[in-house]
Amino acid sequence: NAGVTQTPKFQVLKTGQSMTLQCAQDMNHNSMYWYRQDPGMGLRLIYYSASEGTTDKGEVPNGYNVSRLNKREFSLRLESAAPSQTSVYFCAGKGLAGGRGANVLTFGAGSRLTVL
Amino acid sequence: GDSVTQMEGPVTLSEEAFLTINCTYTATGYPSLFWYVQYPGEGLQLLLKATKADDKGSNKGFEATYRKETTSFHLEKGSVQVSDSAVYFCALKPYNNNDMRFGAGTRLTVKP
Repeated sequence: NAGVTQTPKFQVLKTGQSMTLQCAQDMNHNSMYWYRQDPGMGLRLIYYSASEGTTDKGEVPNGYNVSRLNKREFSLRLESAAPSQTSVYFCAGKGLAGGRGANVLTFGAGSRLTVL
Repeated sequence: GDSVTQMEGPVTLSEEAFLTINCTYTATGYPSLFWYVQYPGEGLQLLLKATKADDKGSNKGFEATYRKETTSFHLEKGSVQVSDSAVYFCALKPYNNNDMRFGAGTRLTVKP
């Protein structure tokens, strides 16, 4: 009953380095999302994937790429990290969960990224 | 575009006090509205939701009513506990797409 699993939980990068945040869900959700959380700004949508094989830009997509590898996995890549990308990143899946109905997001525990 | 605005925090209350966190929204059509809660070091969890006007969502003593006339979805609890200390996010899903928009979050601290 893992739900949504993100790795790594913590990462420190130097400016210009690349990395990929991994996300996997075992809830059979069609839709998956990547958000970033910054103080005073709540959650902002980076990219989402409505179904396997499709991805769409959200509110703040610049500097990121995503891959919906299969129904379970949705990765977020930073090709050349910048200090402005220091944030906490959350992956989420959306769908029926515990009888609470569709359109409910289930979040992972978050990945804290620091770019020096 | 569709968006939510919630009251800025932080909010500090004594145990058993009454809680209100205001949330208003801007949207076309009839969005679905949500409150999520984030405990320290964790991801967000759904607290309650309402999918149409005049619906009341409730959970764990928290309530919020979908008010179309005032475009609001204020969160209330009659008697808060120390364990309610967390950050609360109001959120909206537009009626015509798969997106989800969040407010900035309101940090609540409840003191014994």
